Amino acid sequence: GEEVAQTPKHLVRGEGQKAKLYCAPIKGHSYVFWYQQVLKNEFKFLISFQNENVFDETGMPKERFSAKCLPNSPCSLEIQATKLEDSAVYFCASSPNSNTIYFGEGSWLTVV
Amino acid sequence: RKEVEQDPGPFNVPEGATVAFNCTYSNSASQSFFWYRQDCRKEPKLLMSVYSSGNEDGRFTAQLNRASQYISLLIRDSKLSDSATYLCVVNPITGNQFYFGTGTSLTVIP
Repeated sequence: GEEVAQTPKHLVRGEGQKAKLYCAPIKGHSYVFWYQQVLKNEFKFLISFQNENVFDETGMPKERFSAKCLPNSPCSLEIQATKLEDSAVYFCASSPNSNTIYFGEGSWLTVV
Repeated sequence: RKEVEQDPGPFNVPEGATVAFNCTYSNSASQSFFWYRQDCRKEPKLLMSVYSSGNEDGRFTAQLNRASQYISLLIRDSKLSDSATYLCVVNPITGNQFYFGTGTSLTVIP
């Protein structure tokens, strides 16, 4: 597609439940990035992929967060056992060359 | 120290005014620089890349000062539709994560 497609747009989970978010990058873009934005403030980098390979995962809270980009499938970000502080907008972005990134509309996760 | 620092504002300016935002970055080896615009509850959208020689796009001018490690954005003849948060974004090493400033809030007042 010609834009980064993220689903779902909104997700509500009870504390301790699992949340899974999806991202289809722009066709032809080989880099995918996931960012977390809490309360419209800082963008916290989570992880990046080059095709299906993890490129940089220095931002991932590894004990509960995981992500994948498999061939011919949307990329995914999964949070096991969600906590209240996971409530945020999760933005996926893609790039053809890792130089300029283009964002999806975001997935709003609310943990109650 | 944060990788990218911005004055959060808010900047409240009348229509037609000129307004400038600055942003500093900590990694002197940074390669790529950008200004993004984020409207309330929306995704960031690329406003412009910032080149070493400076660049202009209509009412918007971006400058890069490598020696002082800062980037600026100048908006001339402000419009109501310019009201948004402006994010300074730096990519220290091509292929790695992009670092975001916390954004500068601009409100253009009629």
